[in-house]
Amino acid sequence: GAVVSQHPSRVICKSGTSVKIECRSLDFQATTMFWYRQFPKQSLMLMATSNEGSKATYEQGVEKDKFLINHASLTLSTLTVTSAHPEDSSFYICSADSSRTPIGEQFFGPGTRLTVL
Amino acid sequence: QQQVKQSPQSLIVQKGGISIINCAYENTAFDYFPWYQQFPGKGPALLIAIRPDVSEKKEGRFTISFNKSAKQFSLHIMDSQPGDSATYFCAASAQGGSEKLVFGKGTKLTVNP
Repeated sequence: GAVVSQHPSRVICKSGTSVKIECRSLDFQATTMFWYRQFPKQSLMLMATSNEGSKATYEQGVEKDKFLINHASLTLSTLTVTSAHPEDSSFYICSADSSRTPIGEQFFGPGTRLTVL
Repeated sequence: QQQVKQSPQSLIVQKGGISIINCAYENTAFDYFPWYQQFPGKGPALLIAIRPDVSEKKEGRFTISFNKSAKQFSLHIMDSQPGDSATYFCAASAQGGSEKLVFGKGTKLTVNP
C-alpha cells in the first residue's frame, strides 16, 4: 500500500526557534502533498497544498512566512515552523496524493506533535 | 462556512451494535466522499470512500450510504467492536479526489465491551 512517513514524530522546542518537519512518500511518487494542523479534539485544518517544484498554495489565514513549505522532490516535502511560539503547538499531519490510484486518494502520515515551550 | 457537517459529535455503542455517523455537504461539485478513522496520536487512515455514481458501498463491517439528492452520506459500522473506538471523520473533495479535502468536525466513537 501507499505509505507516508513523517519525521520527527515528536518535537519539543523553545519559543523563538525554528522546527523542520519532513514528510516522505515511501513507495510512490506524490505530485501533491498537503499539510494539516490539528488541535486537540478538533478536526484537521488544511494549511497548504504543495506541488513538486512549485510554490505552495496556502489557505486563508495561514502565514506563508511563518510556515515555510518546500517540496523539492516527488517523495519529500518539508514544513518549517519559523520562530515558533506556544500557540504553534499542535499536531501537524501531512498527506500525499497518489497518482497510482484512479481516484487520487490521499494517504496520511502518522503526524508530528510539536510542543513549543 | 462549514462545507461538511458531521453528526453526532460523540457516540457510545455497545459491542455488537450498529454505529451510524452522518454527514451533509453543501457543495454540489464534491464528487469524492471518504471516511477516515483516527486513533489518538496517530494520523487518519482511510476507511472507505464512495463516489456519487453509487448509493452504497460495503467493505466488511463498514458501509457508506450516499444520498445525492439530499446531499448526505453516512457511515454504518456493523457489529461494532471495542477496537473500533476512535474518532471518525467524513470528508469531501471535488474533481475525483484530486482537489483538497474538506473535513467534517469528527465523531468520537466509544464501543463499550
